[in-house]
Amino acid sequence: QKEVEQNSGPLSVPEGAIASLNCTYSDRGSQSFFWYRQYSGKSPELIMSIYSNGDKEDGRFTAQLNKASQYVSLLIRDSQPSDSATYLCAVRGSSASKIIFGSGTRLSIRP
Amino acid sequence: DAGVIQSPRHEVTEMGQEVTLRCKPISGHNSLFWYRQTMMRGLELLIYFNNNVPIDDSGMPEDRFSAKMPNASFSTLKIQPSEPRDSAVYFCASSLVLAPSSGANVLTFGAGSRLTVL
Repeated sequence: QKEVEQNSGPLSVPEGAIASLNCTYSDRGSQSFFWYRQYSGKSPELIMSIYSNGDKEDGRFTAQLNKASQYVSLLIRDSQPSDSATYLCAVRGSSASKIIFGSGTRLSIRP
Repeated sequence: DAGVIQSPRHEVTEMGQEVTLRCKPISGHNSLFWYRQTMMRGLELLIYFNNNVPIDDSGMPEDRFSAKMPNASFSTLKIQPSEPRDSAVYFCASSLVLAPSSGANVLTFGAGSRLTVL
């Protein structure tokens, strides 16, 4: 079992709709969770971080964490073509500061 | 701050040659990470340092790979000898790590070094 798992996609969503991205992790002691966005040929950039159960909202983005289910998700409201990218889920586990990434979900917003 | 600085941005070399990738982390950050990204394997953690000390190098593929961090502002990743399967984008990232439950540990990535081994 991979430490951090994501559906590779591609996930195709019409412009203006809600995009939902999911991630599961294996280390039950994990403490910090991150969503990064990566455009083709660029480096990953942080979108959201979440540390406690529940929802965290930032503009059009909402991160959701459920530690009991070992599940973290990212919702993108009012999807725009500029949201088309690969979204990487990252988890800092129970051991020190090691941060592991999922393989990423490719999101495509169609006009 | 200039962010995380990596060099070279692109490297093309022949099999068997030595490759050295360089990284300057963000000033004040105390953790540095080396990742490798390929289409097949995604973003893999190779090694990370806390306060210049290697903490976990379990992701280093084999003895051909080595990494050093002689001071807080510089790290290298060396491949000797290089092989075609080492072709990938190598990212360096740094963060400020405080208490384990703090809101820190956000990684900032460099632009990456694209390595092609012929």
